[in-house]
Amino acid sequence: DSGVTQTPKHLITATGQRVTLRCSPRSGDLSVYWYQQSLDQGLQFLIQYYNGEERAKGNILERFSAQQFPDLHSELNLSSLELGDSALYFCASSVDPAGVYEQFFGPGTRLTVL
Amino acid sequence: GQQVMQIPQYQHVQEGEDFTTYCNSSTTLSNIQWYKQRPGGHPVFLIQLVKSGEVKKQKRLTFQFGEAKKNSSLHITATQTTDVGTYFCAGSGNTPLVFGKGTRLSVIA
Repeated sequence: DSGVTQTPKHLITATGQRVTLRCSPRSGDLSVYWYQQSLDQGLQFLIQYYNGEERAKGNILERFSAQQFPDLHSELNLSSLELGDSALYFCASSVDPAGVYEQFFGPGTRLTVL
Repeated sequence: GQQVMQIPQYQHVQEGEDFTTYCNSSTTLSNIQWYKQRPGGHPVFLIQLVKSGEVKKQKRLTFQFGEAKKNSSLHITATQTTDVGTYFCAGSGNTPLVFGKGTRLSVIA
């Protein structure tokens, strides 16, 4: 158990819909990272937050947005969903803002868009 | 932007054989990390290498960081069925960790 929690575990929805994925980092970790993992693909970095502020942006689509709240939990919002958005979404947390230290991954949310 | 390439993409070995995965970065890295993801699981941190030419061992696993800090390798001696999974390298430079696509290891008993 990494100490990072993600909800829900599974999500099935239809094209055009909007969903919200939730992540609670490990106690004491200020950085939260979001990744997308599609079949046979590596981990695509989407976005990072550090202590409530956006720190770095990766290949995140304009239809996707995220935020980190004062209690440090984070939410990833995916809108106007397309079939290609079906993937495993991981949240990870770490102590530092620079990505120098190890990241602890949550169990992931599997999103299926029908 | 920074890219991290990992080869091979897949590797099937007989139990007891050795296994190596290689990681190459387009830019010099400040550090490199290795993660393992078991089937159906999430990535789990294995190790971090920071120094040029660094070699670290964890039981049957040997990790190396190249002299130029642009490449790395993970070698597993005498694979076991518990080694099954996908091994990712992740490099840190001026950006947050950039993950390679991973090497999926299958071990045939």
